[in-house]
Amino acid sequence: GAVVSQHPSRVICKSGTSVKIECRSLDFQATTMFWYRQFPKQSLMLMATSNEGSKATYEQGVEKDKFLINHASLTLSTLTVTSAHPEDSSFYICSASSPDRDGYTFGSGTRLTVV
Amino acid sequence: GQQVMQIPQYQHVQEGEDFTTYCNSSTTLSNIQWYKQRPGGHPVFLIQLVKSGEVKKQKRLTFQFGEAKKNSSLHITATQTTDVGTYFCARRTGNQFYFGTGTSLTVIP
Repeated sequence: GAVVSQHPSRVICKSGTSVKIECRSLDFQATTMFWYRQFPKQSLMLMATSNEGSKATYEQGVEKDKFLINHASLTLSTLTVTSAHPEDSSFYICSASSPDRDGYTFGSGTRLTVV
Repeated sequence: GQQVMQIPQYQHVQEGEDFTTYCNSSTTLSNIQWYKQRPGGHPVFLIQLVKSGEVKKQKRLTFQFGEAKKNSSLHITATQTTDVGTYFCARRTGNQFYFGTGTSLTVIP
């Protein structure tokens, strides 16, 4: 139980385009999901906390107009990287908590490359 | 900031040697969680510690939560090549969840 599916796993896009990443909790409902960004050999940096039915809470320094988060249902949160630039290339990963388990379950991540 | 510091940043050990990573916070933690991330993979939950002075074991892994609830450690006895990866502590603050800086473990066969 407590499976989180993230899609796509890899994406290459051109500079200036937008990319949508989906994060689904497959066998539980998640009122809260987290979005992280991880650069090579670094830790996971929290970008935003996604709350079902309300606006996401963004961490300091994260542009909410650039990283659009939508959590329209209890099983789906999406992160859209708008007007992507090469410096946005990174590993993006989501997580969610199942109410009957300790800890958070992570998606498999999305490796974004902006060319 | 909100990030919890971990030491060491990197650790190379010979297979069979022990390994310890330490997690230190300047503020009291309500609880602490530990995760393992294999190279190219995603973090996988290992354990949560809640009580002051708590010690939990999972086979060769021993987790401790400090008496003051400001630090925690993960100790691996007799490392194996399957232990390779980065170990993160993580904490929840309000509705946010932050990861430590991580310790990358390399096990030399």
